[in-house]
Amino acid sequence: GAVVSQHPSRVICKSGTSVKIECRSLDFQATTMFWYRQFPKQSLMLMATSNEGSKATYEQGVEKDKFLINHASLTLSTLTVTSAHPEDSSFYICSARASFPGGSSTNEKLFFGSGTQLSVL
Amino acid sequence: SQQGEEDPQALSIQEGENATMNCSYKTSINNLQWYRQNSGRGLVHLILIRSNEREKHSGRLRVTLDTSKKSSSLLITASRAADTASYFCATGRTGGFKTIFGAGTRLFVKA
Repeated sequence: GAVVSQHPSRVICKSGTSVKIECRSLDFQATTMFWYRQFPKQSLMLMATSNEGSKATYEQGVEKDKFLINHASLTLSTLTVTSAHPEDSSFYICSARASFPGGSSTNEKLFFGSGTQLSVL
Repeated sequence: SQQGEEDPQALSIQEGENATMNCSYKTSINNLQWYRQNSGRGLVHLILIRSNEREKHSGRLRVTLDTSKKSSSLLITASRAADTASYFCATGRTGGFKTIFGAGTRLFVKA
């Protein structure tokens, strides 16, 4: 099946620094990627939808200047948490929706990265 | 805001028993999906059921969908300790592109 690689798996940083998280689709083209945030024992909260070659669409309440998303190629999207603070500590997960040439235009299934645990001291 | 709400929030059963989790949603959907998440990991897609389907099977999994009640259930038969995980339903909305996740059910299967 399709594989999404997310790095790093864990990062600890000081308050005020920026952290970049990468999400790569390894064996398929991901025209759309999604970034989620998850608190312990809670569900995934969609932060933004990242489309290759265009600006990301952020969900209500998510600061786009705080969480910078870049989807520069069909296989890579990055999330940068700028000037991180302790309240940004969370589990961040990316997912990708595949686009297979000649396949269905409605590829509903999502392929997830393994997540990044961010701890801001 | 979240679309799906699962119940129970937590479920503890003995190995070999069946586990049933329910999901309710609010708006019209194109499909409903169930995912599994092991602690501290990403999600794994289990099964997708479309809005025009009523039941679907995959191995030990059985999913039902009742669009009139806006609800779905996931049944795991003959559970194993390795089934211990959190299970989420997610909906793909009609005319939309986003997938919205419910709150999840934490399943613990005791050996």
